[in-house]
Amino acid sequence: AQKVTQAQTEISVVEKEDVTLDCVYETRDTTYYLFWYKQPPSGELVFLIRRNSFDEQNEISGRYSWNFQKSTSSFNFTITASQVVDSAVYFCALSDPSTNAGKSTFGDGTTLTVKP
Amino acid sequence: DTGVSQDPRHKITKRGQNVTFRCDPISEHNRLYWYRQTLGQGPEFLTYFQNEAQLEKSRLLSDRFSAERPKGSFSTLEIQRTEQGDSAMYLCASSERSWDRVRAGELFFGEGSRLTVL
Repeated sequence: AQKVTQAQTEISVVEKEDVTLDCVYETRDTTYYLFWYKQPPSGELVFLIRRNSFDEQNEISGRYSWNFQKSTSSFNFTITASQVVDSAVYFCALSDPSTNAGKSTFGDGTTLTVKP
Repeated sequence: DTGVSQDPRHKITKRGQNVTFRCDPISEHNRLYWYRQTLGQGPEFLTYFQNEAQLEKSRLLSDRFSAERPKGSFSTLEIQRTEQGDSAMYLCASSERSWDRVRAGELFFGEGSRLTVL
């Protein structure tokens, strides 16, 4: 069975600080996808990034970056120079592309508050 | 707006009543998912359609729940004889069946239908 753990329930930072959200996953699959989604107060989950288990390098996209460590089953997400609009609940998710890539197992989320 | 739309956004009902939610996915997406989210938790997978075929159902989906996607476009989720434990946000998402590995698995969510059972 797949499992995603987001140990940080809530994080509060001041605007312009960098913030890292932790995610640890469990799966027996050798190939899998990892995702980060953002859920602002309006409620609609928005896809942010996806990572394939077979990709080796970490990437940066604008103010977002992620650190995938297969050896420790972690997929951490960093927002650089945080802004008030980044305040939301962030979910890490895991899926098995060999069966159903859209059937994701989500963590319980980390609530990020960015104060001005 | 060509995103995923859900209706109604909020539904308050009394225990024992039936409710139905509708989801209109992004038009070119052939895969449609229903998830349920309770307060303080992440979404949980309920069921999945590829075109009009319901290909997978979670054990969370009891016999009181039924979902359809009759023409491979919009979908409905009906809950019969609602119970207080059914109170949750019901999320619909769609995705394209892409052979492009870059997009596979990316879900586009609607704003959800919040159900309150009194």
